[in-house]
Amino acid sequence: GQQVMQIPQYQHVQEGEDFTTYCNSSTTLSNIQWYKQRPGGHPVFLIQLVKSGEVKKQKRLTFQFGEAKKNSSLHITATQTTDVGTYFCAGRETTDSWGKLQFGAGTQVVVTP
Amino acid sequence: NAGVTQTPKFRILKIGQSMTLQCTQDMNHNYMYWYRQDPGMGLKLIYYSVGAGITDKGEVPNGYNVSRSTTEDFPLRLELAAPSQTSVYFCASSYPARGDEKLFFGSGTQLSVL
Repeated sequence: GQQVMQIPQYQHVQEGEDFTTYCNSSTTLSNIQWYKQRPGGHPVFLIQLVKSGEVKKQKRLTFQFGEAKKNSSLHITATQTTDVGTYFCAGRETTDSWGKLQFGAGTQVVVTP
Repeated sequence: NAGVTQTPKFRILKIGQSMTLQCTQDMNHNYMYWYRQDPGMGLKLIYYSVGAGITDKGEVPNGYNVSRSTTEDFPLRLELAAPSQTSVYFCASSYPARGDEKLFFGSGTQLSVL
C-alpha cells in the first residue's frame, strides 16, 4: 500500500535560518497537502498542490510538488519562533477515492531564538 | 463560526469500559473522518464517511465503530477500551466536490485507557 515518508523527523533551527522538510510517497499522488500543528493544537491546512512541478508560496513558505507527483517539499526562509510546530504532508493515491489521505509522520520544528 | 466541534476534550477510561466521542460540523460538509494521533506517528485514519448513512473503514478500524445518521454528526464508539487505544483523536470534515480536499479538524479528544 501507499506509504508517505517525511524527513527529517526533527528539525532544530536557529531563528533567521532557512530549512527544508521533505515528503516522499511510494506511489503517484493525485495531490499533496500540507498541514501545521502547533504544540497541543490540531492540524491546520496550509496548502494543496495538484499539478506536476507546481510551486506555491505563502510569505516565507515555499511548497513544491515533484515532476513525478511522488514527492514534495516545504522550504521556510528566515525562520521565526512562530514557525514552531509539526508540519505534516498528506497525499491521496491516484487510484484511491476522495477522502483516503495518507499522512506522513511529520517534521517537528523547534526554533532557537 | 464553530466549524468542527469535538467533545469531550479529555477522558480517562478503565480497561473494558465503553464511550462515544462526539463530533459535529456546521459547514454542510459531506465527508467526515476520524483520525488517531500517537506520538511521533502522524495521523492514522480510523473510519470515514462520504455522506449520511455511508461509512467505510480506514487504516486502523479495529476496536471502533461509527455511524452517520445526519450530515452534521459523526460519533465514534469504543466498545471495550484497551490501553492500545490511548491516543489523541481528531475528527475532521471536508467537501471534495468543491475542487479541493482540504480537511478541517476539530480540537481533538485526549483519551487515556488505564
